[in-house]
Amino acid sequence: GESVGLHLPTLSVQEGDNSIINCAYSNSASDYFIWYKQESGKGPQFIIDIRSNMDKRQGQRVTVLLNKTVKHLSLQIAATQPGDSAVYFCAENNYGQNFVFGPGTRLSVLP
Amino acid sequence: NAGVTQTPKFRVLKTGQSMTLLCAQDMNHEYMYWYRQDPGMGLRLIHYSVGEGTTAKGEVPDGYNVSRLKKQNFLLGLESAAPSQTSVYFCASSFQIRRQTQYFGPGTRLLVL
Repeated sequence: GESVGLHLPTLSVQEGDNSIINCAYSNSASDYFIWYKQESGKGPQFIIDIRSNMDKRQGQRVTVLLNKTVKHLSLQIAATQPGDSAVYFCAENNYGQNFVFGPGTRLSVLP
Repeated sequence: NAGVTQTPKFRVLKTGQSMTLLCAQDMNHEYMYWYRQDPGMGLRLIHYSVGEGTTAKGEVPDGYNVSRLKKQNFLLGLESAAPSQTSVYFCASSFQIRRQTQYFGPGTRLLVL
């Protein structure tokens, strides 16, 4: 999950297992959310997005779940691979405003 | 398509020196952004632009200036660098400011001594 501080939370999973990364967003009025992947030394890369009128959206090997009641977002990665090792963070948008980004979770895939 | 490119990739400055970071995009996006990323924190918006010739302040604008003279370029200037500006700077662009994914550059790592 997300936390404020100098050290990112880390999730370690075995290769082939499923990963679940969580994000608690701050603004109940936010209506658009994005998950980004950031590999070491690179810029953030779009993974998947979801609008507030949905509670689930699926992509290739990834699923995003949105629970507006508790302001919670999760990213599920199926059959995690070594190439999935990265920092994952969510971004929320309140219509017409700028995005707010979470600090991220580091995913470490163990062989 | 190169997407979003940034120069330089890495720079070391002394306190009080000035520099300009260049961002270029070839996707014909209207909106461009400058963020800074510090350890353990989310990306924070410095300045953004909603079109050629326009700029606006973000969350942490102090100590920075920007210019958007051409649609494809967005410049970030530090007039008098301070150690607190040591960070990784990312440029991004999007077609629209609302409900649109932002495409990020590879980042510029800046160290101010």
